[in-house]
Amino acid sequence: QSVLTQPPSASGTPGQRVTISCSGSSSDIGSNIVNWYQQLPGAAPKLLTYSNNQRPSGVPDRFSGSKSGTSASLAISGLQSEDEAAYYCAAWDDSLNAYVFGTGTKVTVL
Amino acid sequence: EVQLVESGGGLVQPGGSLRLSCAASGFIFDYYEMNWVRQAPGKGLEWVSYISSSGSTIYYADSVKGRFTISRDNAKNSLYLQINSLRAEDTAVYYCARDSSGFVDWGQGTLVTVSS
Repeated sequence: QSVLTQPPSASGTPGQRVTISCSGSSSDIGSNIVNWYQQLPGAAPKLLTYSNNQRPSGVPDRFSGSKSGTSASLAISGLQSEDEAAYYCAAWDDSLNAYVFGTGTKVTVL
Repeated sequence: EVQLVESGGGLVQPGGSLRLSCAASGFIFDYYEMNWVRQAPGKGLEWVSYISSSGSTIYYADSVKGRFTISRDNAKNSLYLQINSLRAEDTAVYYCARDSSGFVDWGQGTLVTVSS
């Protein structure tokens, strides 16, 4: 099963902006919407953004998703200590008939 | 309040079977598509299976095709995952997730450990 490629780690100091990339292909990101999930240590994942750039209610506007071609990205502005977590992109893959997750990015607040 | 509560995990020997359940409440269960997602210890998320609201459409990850069976009972507001021919690499926390333009709600997970 193919996965979407993310950098394994990212970091920043409080208040900084951090961007996480997600690289896919024409059959997944290139053809379908991208969602992002946040997983705090020891917790279940949580939907952070959906439909490329929409935020569920309750998610701070510091989190923003975007998509271009076969890639997507998640930006966290005004980084806070509680943002330390793993972040996963995800999309449906039309050729596999499967939902594929990214490899995950661990964000550390320095 | 939406609640998803998984159960049925445990320690099982290689080649064994388990049936996982996910009890749903707080929403109209038969309106929503559902999924199973797993996470091996210290690893990332892996999608396992999808079932449409009526149960008529089902998809599986290649890694579990032929061994896992997803089903639902809308009258009981429950989702199931029958897992057979278990392998060590199936050891993971298994989550059920409600699907609505993304996996909007997740359970707390149930741990399946495959070991002799």
